[in-house]
Amino acid sequence: DIQMTQSPSSLSASVGDRVTITCRASQSISSYLNWYQQKPGKAPKLLIYAASSLQSGVPSRFSGSGSGTDFTLTISSLQPEDFATYYCQQSYSTSWAFGQGTKVEIK
Amino acid sequence: EVQLVQSGAEVKKPGESLRISCKGSGYSFTSYWISWVRQMPGKGLEWMGRIDPSDSYTNYSPSFQGHVTISADKSISTAYLQWSSLKASDTAMYYCARHGGYCSSTSCYAYDYWGQGTLVTVSS
Repeated sequence: DIQMTQSPSSLSASVGDRVTITCRASQSISSYLNWYQQKPGKAPKLLIYAASSLQSGVPSRFSGSGSGTDFTLTISSLQPEDFATYYCQQSYSTSWAFGQGTKVEIK
Repeated sequence: EVQLVQSGAEVKKPGESLRISCKGSGYSFTSYWISWVRQMPGKGLEWMGRIDPSDSYTNYSPSFQGHVTISADKSISTAYLQWSSLKASDTAMYYCARHGGYCSSTSCYAYDYWGQGTLVTVSS
C-alpha cells in the first residue's frame, strides 16, 4: 500500500501569514493527489484535486503543487476561517490513503 | 443541488449488528462511485471501501475487508455500510463520499461531496 506522510503534524500561525504544508508519498503517484480541509464537527471539504487544480468555490489563496512523491499545499494569506485540519489523499492506487493530517492553529 | 444525507447517530452494544445509510440526491446516483471513510475520535481519515452503485461492484481496504459490508440499492439511490458484530473499537464517525472532482472515462479521482457523517457508539 502507498503511505502518505504529512508535515508538520501541527502548526501555529497568525492571520495574514503564508502557510505551507507538505505531503510525501511512499512511491510515485503522478499527480493523483488531493487536499481536503476539515473543521471541527464537520465533514471534510475538497480544496485541491489533481495536485494543483482548485475546486470550484475555493478561495484563490489556496494553491497546490508537486508531482511524483512530493506535494505542497500553500495558503498565501491565512484567514480566520482557515484554521482547521488539512489532509492530503492519494487516488493513484486502489486503496486511497490519507495523510495523518496537519492541524493549523491560531498563534 | 448534490446532496448525500446519512442516517442518524447510533448507540449499540458489542456483538450487535448495524446498517447505516447514505442517500444521494441531485445527481445520477448510478454514475458516481461512493466510498465510506472512518474517523475515530480525535483521529484522522481512513478509507474503508467503495461501491459502484450501477452494478454494486465493491472493493475494500485490507484493514476493513471481512469486518464490514458495503452495499447499495440504486432504486432508492442509497448506499449502506453494515456490520454483523460490532466491537467497541468501531466507535467512530463514518462518512460517505462521492467520487468526483476529476474524472476519466471510467473513474473519478477525488471526493467532491460528503455526507454529514453518522456517529456510531459501541459500548456495553
